[in-house]
Amino acid sequence: GENVEQHPSTLSVQEGDSAVIKCTYSDSASNYFPWYKQELGKGPQLIIDIRSNVGEKKDQRIAVTLNKTAKHFSLHITETQPEDSAVYFCAATLSGGYQKVTFGTGTKLQVIP
Amino acid sequence: DVKVTQSSRYLVKRTGEKVFLECVQDMDHENMFWYRQDPGLGLRLIYFSYDVKMKEKGDIPEGYSVSREKKERFSLILESASTNQTSMYLCASSSGQALRGGYTFGSGTRLTVV
Repeated sequence: GENVEQHPSTLSVQEGDSAVIKCTYSDSASNYFPWYKQELGKGPQLIIDIRSNVGEKKDQRIAVTLNKTAKHFSLHITETQPEDSAVYFCAATLSGGYQKVTFGTGTKLQVIP
Repeated sequence: DVKVTQSSRYLVKRTGEKVFLECVQDMDHENMFWYRQDPGLGLRLIYFSYDVKMKEKGDIPEGYSVSREKKERFSLILESASTNQTSMYLCASSSGQALRGGYTFGSGTRLTVV
C-alpha cells in the first residue's frame, strides 16, 4: 500500500518568514495530493490540493509543488502569520478509486510573532 | 455551511465497555471514513464505507466495527474498550469517486479509556 513520509515533525518560524513542509510517497499510481490544516480543537481542513498532471499550484500565500519523478511534494507558506500556526498534514491517494487516502504524520508549525 | 458532526467532543469510558461513536454528515456524501489520530502517527484509517450498509476495513480495524444503516450516519463501535484505544477519533466524508474538494472532517471525539 501507499506510504507517505512527512518532514519536519515540528517547525518554528518568525512571523513574515517562509515555511516549507516536505512529503514523499511510495505508490507511483497516486495522482491526488491534498494538504490539510488542523487548528487546535478542530478537525483537519483542506487548504490546497494538486493533481499529478500539474507541477505547481498557488493560492495566495500558499503553494504546493509536485515532483512525480522523485515522488515528493511540498507545501510552501510565504509571509507567515500567527494564524498559520497549526498542524499540517500531507496526503496521497488515487483519485477515481475508492479514495483511500494515506496521510503523513503531520508537521506542527509555530509562527513566532 | 456543510458539516460533519460527531456526537461527542469528549468521552471517558471504562475498560471492557462497548462504546459507540456517532457521525452525521449533511452533504449527501457517498463516502464516510473513521480515522484515529495519535501523536507521531498521524491519521490512521480504521474503517470506511462507500454506500449504505457497505463497509471496508482500513489499516487498523482490529477491535473496532462500524455500522452504516443510513447514508448520512456512520457509527464506530468499540466492542470491548481497552486502554490502547484511548485516542482522538475523526470522522470524514467525501463525494463520489472524483474526490472533488477532498475530505470534510468532523471536529473529533477525544476518547479516554480508563
